[in-house]
Amino acid sequence: KNEVEQSPQNLTAQEGEFITINCSYSVGISALHWLQQHPGGGIVSLFMLSSGKKKHGRLIATINIQEKHSSLHITASHPRDSAVYICAVTTNTGNQFYFGTGTSLTVIP
Amino acid sequence: NAGVMQNPRHLVRRRGQEARLRCSPMKGHSHVYWYRQLPEEGLKFMVYLQKENIIDESGMPKERFSAEFPKEGPSILRIQQVVRGDSAAYFCASTPTSAKGEQYFGPGTRLTVT
Repeated sequence: KNEVEQSPQNLTAQEGEFITINCSYSVGISALHWLQQHPGGGIVSLFMLSSGKKKHGRLIATINIQEKHSSLHITASHPRDSAVYICAVTTNTGNQFYFGTGTSLTVIP
Repeated sequence: NAGVMQNPRHLVRRRGQEARLRCSPMKGHSHVYWYRQLPEEGLKFMVYLQKENIIDESGMPKERFSAEFPKEGPSILRIQQVVRGDSAAYFCASTPTSAKGEQYFGPGTRLTVT
């Protein structure tokens, strides 16, 4: 079983839709990260959070430490949001990153 | 302030050759992580280094792979006697002084072994 599980694996949405991607983890963490990987392959860090909620533009990330669950929301989705979104955690016992397998998002105009 | 630099961006090697991948962290960052992304798979941690020290190499294959981060110059991931299964994208990321801070990723090196 992976330490980090994401759902859904693939997601297709119409432009303007509200999108939610979920992440569950099974290890103790010091932080959870949401990353974006574009078709060209580059990776961008979107959020790092250890509690509560963070917002950046149309992106919102939440985390529930008790339930070991995080969500990434995209409001008013746009075709340029099409990418793979990856959830990752930094453990509180070591230096490692554990990654989810990613959610491939396609936003159709 | 330039971001994390990796070179080369694409590298083709024949089986049995050596591959050297370089990563220059962001200015002021002294922590470097290396990750591997196999085709159709997720990212996997390989190694975590600080200047002149390997902190955690638990994700590195036991043979043929090594990493260093010298006092001067970039971090190097070295793969000896490459095999087809080493074909992957290799990403490095750097963080500032805190080992558990936000990571800044490089563009990756895509290694193809023929």
